[in-house]
Amino acid sequence: DQQVKQNSPSLSVQEGRISILNCDYTNSMFDYFLWYKKYPAEGPTFLISISSIKDKNEDGRFTVFLNKSAKHLSLHIVPSQPGDSAVYFCADCLNFGNEKLTFGTGTRLTIIP
Amino acid sequence: KAGVTQTPRYLIKTRGQQVTLSCSPISGHRSVSWYQQTPGQGLQFLFEYFSETQRNKGNFPGRFSGRQFSNSRSEMNVSTLELGDSALYLCASSSYRAEQFFGPGTRLTVL
Repeated sequence: DQQVKQNSPSLSVQEGRISILNCDYTNSMFDYFLWYKKYPAEGPTFLISISSIKDKNEDGRFTVFLNKSAKHLSLHIVPSQPGDSAVYFCADCLNFGNEKLTFGTGTRLTIIP
Repeated sequence: KAGVTQTPRYLIKTRGQQVTLSCSPISGHRSVSWYQQTPGQGLQFLFEYFSETQRNKGNFPGRFSGRQFSNSRSEMNVSTLELGDSALYLCASSSYRAEQFFGPGTRLTVL
């Protein structure tokens, strides 16, 4: 079974600095990775995605990096803002078009004003 | 465009009862997926429906079932509820891409 691991359950970052959230995955060739942000009592909100043919994707303050040799994914948020405080999940879609997402356990990001 | 809606938002049931949750996807989205979120297990995939057919299934017992209607609306049913079924149940819809858009969830409490 494909696994997605977020080894840091929590992260605190000063407002204005860079937040880096990490994710590791097990072996797969045609993955499509997504990052979601979740506030309490709400559903996850899609942030940004990257396909396995790329190594970087950028959208405003959010950049996702994919290191295929290390099977590692990271989300960079810069500059960090108080509204970024939430739980962040990385997710893996095994085959493009297959709608089953495998989620990591999440990292709670706290932005300190 | 309206987002994914789920009803009810909160539900309290007792063990042994059954429950039906409803999801209306974003207009034009034909795929609807269901996930269970618990503190211990995180977000786990239940099943996915596309054009009224179950296309993917997670590792949940047969007490968990679902269906999709011709207008893409979906329902999931849990029979013979157990205490461990207490969770946030999330529905997500997508068009042809892997990005899924989630509803606010239904918080189910089993007493």
